[in-house]
Order: sequence, then C-alpha cells, then structure tokens
Amino acid sequence: GQSLEQPSEVTAVEGAIVQINCTYQTSGFYGLSWYQQHDGGAPTFLSYNGLDGLEETGRFSSFLSRSDSYGYLLLQELQMKDSASYFCAVSSGYSTLTFGKGTMLLVSP
Amino acid sequence: DAGVTQSPTHLIKTRGQHVTLRCSPISGHKSVSWYQQVLGQGPQFIFQYYEKEERGRGNFPDRFSARQFPNYSSELNVNALLLGDSALYLCASSLRQTTNEKLFFGSGTQLSVL
Repeated sequence: GQSLEQPSEVTAVEGAIVQINCTYQTSGFYGLSWYQQHDGGAPTFLSYNGLDGLEETGRFSSFLSRSDSYGYLLLQELQMKDSASYFCAVSSGYSTLTFGKGTMLLVSP
Repeated sequence: DAGVTQSPTHLIKTRGQHVTLRCSPISGHKSVSWYQQVLGQGPQFIFQYYEKEERGRGNFPDRFSARQFPNYSSELNVNALLLGDSALYLCASSLRQTTNEKLFFGSGTQLSVL
C-alpha cells in the first residue's frame, strides 16, 4: 500500500516562513510533487523533486530525501493569498499521483 | 489558452442513478486522469488515459468507468450511485505520460448523491 503523512493544519503570520513536512511509504516511487488548492478551486502544481535536494521556485522551495522517505515544502515571505491547502503527492507511475490528506495553511495579518 | 474544462460544475443525483462527467484537456495534451476528492481529503486516483487507452486504474469498483475520445476529451461514468460517491471529481491533463509529468487540474464537478 501507499501512505503519506503531513500535518493537518499550520498557522503563520504574514511575512513569516513556514515548512510543511511530508513523509511517505510507497511501493513505487519516482518523485514527490506539491500542489496548492484554494477553497473550491483546482489543485495547482507548485514543485517536483525527483532527486535528493532542494528545488527553488520564487518564494517556494521543496526538498526531498529519498533515503528518509521525507520531503518538505518551504514557503517564504508569506502572503494572505497563500492561505490554502497544500498536498504532497508521490509519483508512483506514469502521470499517476498518490496524494496526502493535505495541510491547511492559515496566514494571518 | 483555455485550461482544463469540466462539465457540469455541480450535479445532484439520487442513489441508484447513473452519472456522466465530462472533461476537455488543455489543447495538445494527450493524457487525461480522473481523481475523486472527498471533503477534507486529498484527491484519489481513479483512471488514467493516454492516447485513448486506459493506462492506469485506481482502487475503485467496476461501477466506475471512463473513456477517452479521438480529440482527447474524456468521460467518467459512474453507475448505481451510492451516497459515498458524493465528492468533487477532478480531471487532470498532461502533455505526455511520464513519471514526473506536471498535472493541470480542472475545477472539478461537485457531485452530490441524495
């Protein structure tokens, strides 16, 4: 089977830095993705890690350690618009993702 | 360019009925996947189609079926609806069928089964 664990909720203030962790157990692993979903909206792609290390895209960075089956999403200079649910997802096949339950990020002024 | 479009946006059905959900991928995308998202959970993989062939199937009963048309649009069919089928059904498209492919999701069809 496959399972992903991430915190259910994280709170932070504008301008702060927040890290959302994800640990996984999967029978097949090609890489770890992160998606953002606002209430009632479509999930949107944020980042992908296929190899160990850090990937940086603007205010967002993502890290992967394959040996530890662990990754995280780092959000810097938080803005109110970053309030959303964040999902880690394991790529376990061609164009097939297994998602975690999601972390709700609440950014306050 | 238009993103992934899904129709209808909302649907109300009763137990035992049948439903058909439709998805148009981004122009040029040949892979379409379907996901079910129950409130408070992450999306769960149902099907993946590439070049009109089923390439992956998640852990869903045979009441769920899908197909992809020559223009790469897709339909998800669910027979004998159960209350537990109430969920947001998401369609995602991607350019190719690879293990690191970025998926583009539509806004989904919210299905309520009464």
